[in-house]
Amino acid sequence: SAVISQKPSRDICQRGTSLTIQCQVDSQVTMMFWYRQQPGQSLTLIATANQGSEATYESGFVIDKFPISRPNLTFSTLTVSNMSPEDSSIYLCSVETGPHEQFFGPGTRLTVL
Amino acid sequence: AQSVSQHNHHVILSEAASLELGCNYSYGGTVNLFWYVQYPGQHLQLLLKYFSGDPLVKGIKGFEAEFIKSKFSFNLRKPSVQWSDTAEYFCAVNPNTGGFKTIFGAGTRLFVKA
Repeated sequence: SAVISQKPSRDICQRGTSLTIQCQVDSQVTMMFWYRQQPGQSLTLIATANQGSEATYESGFVIDKFPISRPNLTFSTLTVSNMSPEDSSIYLCSVETGPHEQFFGPGTRLTVL
Repeated sequence: AQSVSQHNHHVILSEAASLELGCNYSYGGTVNLFWYVQYPGQHLQLLLKYFSGDPLVKGIKGFEAEFIKSKFSFNLRKPSVQWSDTAEYFCAVNPNTGGFKTIFGAGTRLFVKA
């Protein structure tokens, strides 16, 4: 299994600001994924990030709100832009470790006031 | 739209009790099925998976799950739970269409009383 770290682990932010979440993997991976887990709800895929190409966003998520970078095979960032309290959530990155199997990072707990 | 339903949001059991967590999905085609577990303070991790073959699959820590195609179900079972099984359990489905999207259920919080 991979070792995944996320920074920050948690943050409290003011509405209207932006936060960039970093995801670092200890091995090279092709596919990285960003999820959101809102309180009491399931994980929802935000986007799939392939190194060297634009991220693919799921329905309901747009690049202007959640820009993603994937500069190399071990690193990705997700920015939550112009935040509102509705963006309060846990944000998780994951990598594919087998056919459709995923290994998850520890998550970033975001609170927007 | 494709969805995954977990019937129980919270389950409380005593040690040695049997466990069954329900999971149903809505998708008519071939699927890959997963159960993930998140122990307190730990990462979400894979518990078991089903791709094809024997519909009864065994995972780590004595867990098993049965795929019943006619019922669109993939229920998780353990004959005798332990206090250390206290965790949140997520059922997940990946429609076998060649895409990457995995759909997760809302999760079931299991608390096992010692």
